[in-house]
Amino acid sequence: QKEVEQDPGPLSVPEGAIVSLNCTYSNSAFQYFMWYRQYSRKGPELLMYTYSSGNKEDGRFTAQVDKSSKYISLFIRDSQPSDSATYLCAMSLYGNKLVFGAGTILRVKS
Amino acid sequence: GAVVSQHPSRVICKSGTSVKIECRSLDFQATTMFWYRQFPKQSLMLMATSNEGSKATYEQGVEKDKFLINHASLTLSTLTVTSAHPEDSSFYICSARLSSGGGQPQHFGDGTRLSIL
Repeated sequence: QKEVEQDPGPLSVPEGAIVSLNCTYSNSAFQYFMWYRQYSRKGPELLMYTYSSGNKEDGRFTAQVDKSSKYISLFIRDSQPSDSATYLCAMSLYGNKLVFGAGTILRVKS
Repeated sequence: GAVVSQHPSRVICKSGTSVKIECRSLDFQATTMFWYRQFPKQSLMLMATSNEGSKATYEQGVEKDKFLINHASLTLSTLTVTSAHPEDSSFYICSARLSSGGGQPQHFGDGTRLSIL
């Protein structure tokens, strides 16, 4: 079993839809949780960064962490074609390396 | 803020050539930088962790004599692929973490696409 599980998709939605992306993990010691967006032939771009459980909102993006269920989510409201990319979840312990999910390919159709 | 610049973005060279890739944190100091390799349609694979002023820590299976890492300052780390061969062709990405603590997220460069003929 992988340490972090993420459905690779692809996930295809119409423009304006609410997108839900998820990851589950097995190591209950993880403290820091991140979502990155990666466009083709580019490096990952940090979207959201949270510590421990709870919600965090930034514009159209909301990140949720449920440590009791070992489950994290990223919601994208009013999705746009420019949101089409690969979304990577990542998590870590303090000072440790990142553990990535496989990445979910998102396609937003206009 | 938290911009990481990686250069060059694309390299095409002959087999046997050594290639140097630079990673710079432009607006912050980074005690720790990381080097990743990414194959098509796959997630990032950590190659090594680079700490300023000390030797890099390599992940299992990564040849340290093949992939030389230098982190001489708080804003610059370099990866040199020595005597590159076609199997070294890949997308190499660096990241940097703010010096303020190990709980800070990593910020990534835009990657270097290396093609060895």
